[in-house]
Amino acid sequence: AAGVIQSPRHLIKEKRETATLKCYPIPRHDTVYWYQQGPGQDPQFLISFYEKMQSDKGSIPDRFSAQQFSDYHSELNMSSLELGDSALYFCASSLGRVSGNTIYFGEGSWLTVV
Amino acid sequence: AQKVTQAQTEISVVEKEDVTLDCVYETRDTTYYLFWYKQPPSGELVFLIRRNSFDEQNEISGRYSWNFQKSTSSFNFTITASQVVDSAVYFCALSEAQGGSEKLVFGKGTKLTVNP
Repeated sequence: AAGVIQSPRHLIKEKRETATLKCYPIPRHDTVYWYQQGPGQDPQFLISFYEKMQSDKGSIPDRFSAQQFSDYHSELNMSSLELGDSALYFCASSLGRVSGNTIYFGEGSWLTVV
Repeated sequence: AQKVTQAQTEISVVEKEDVTLDCVYETRDTTYYLFWYKQPPSGELVFLIRRNSFDEQNEISGRYSWNFQKSTSSFNFTITASQVVDSAVYFCALSEAQGGSEKLVFGKGTKLTVNP
């Protein structure tokens, strides 16, 4: 079965650079989530989109922005990168914006800021 | 506010032992959902189970079983006859039905090491 696809899987950026992560949800899923997992930490919710509109916002820095496109894929843009942004970034998707729907995660994008 | 506590930071067992991972949650909602995810060393988060607050039936899936007890706000996960491939970090997570947010709140995770 098709899963959530994230790209790139790994990227290395320097401080103050910009990075963009892409996410392709499971087909027919209309809700996309972004989570950030620091080393040895639990995943933290950043932001979510339902039907191309932002539906919820968590602890996302102002330097980060995201959007969901007409084909339901999503991009997370991160600017002025800091060392502390080094983390595993997950995209996840679900069918419908209903609490309790199973949220399926991608394999994650490893971002290293040097 | 919702909160998930996984008191066991790390557990180490020998293959074929049974192991139980504890999860205690806090929520003010009467309707909520509990999840378990597995994160192997490769990093991906693998969905294991979803349970709503109105369904207290225990569930068994192969060597995995889950014990949901609302009276103690616990949703514990047991692996029977553990195998080396079970080595991973296991996260318990909570989603509340009210408040318009469908986000997951995770516990800190329990790192399980199964030794041969």
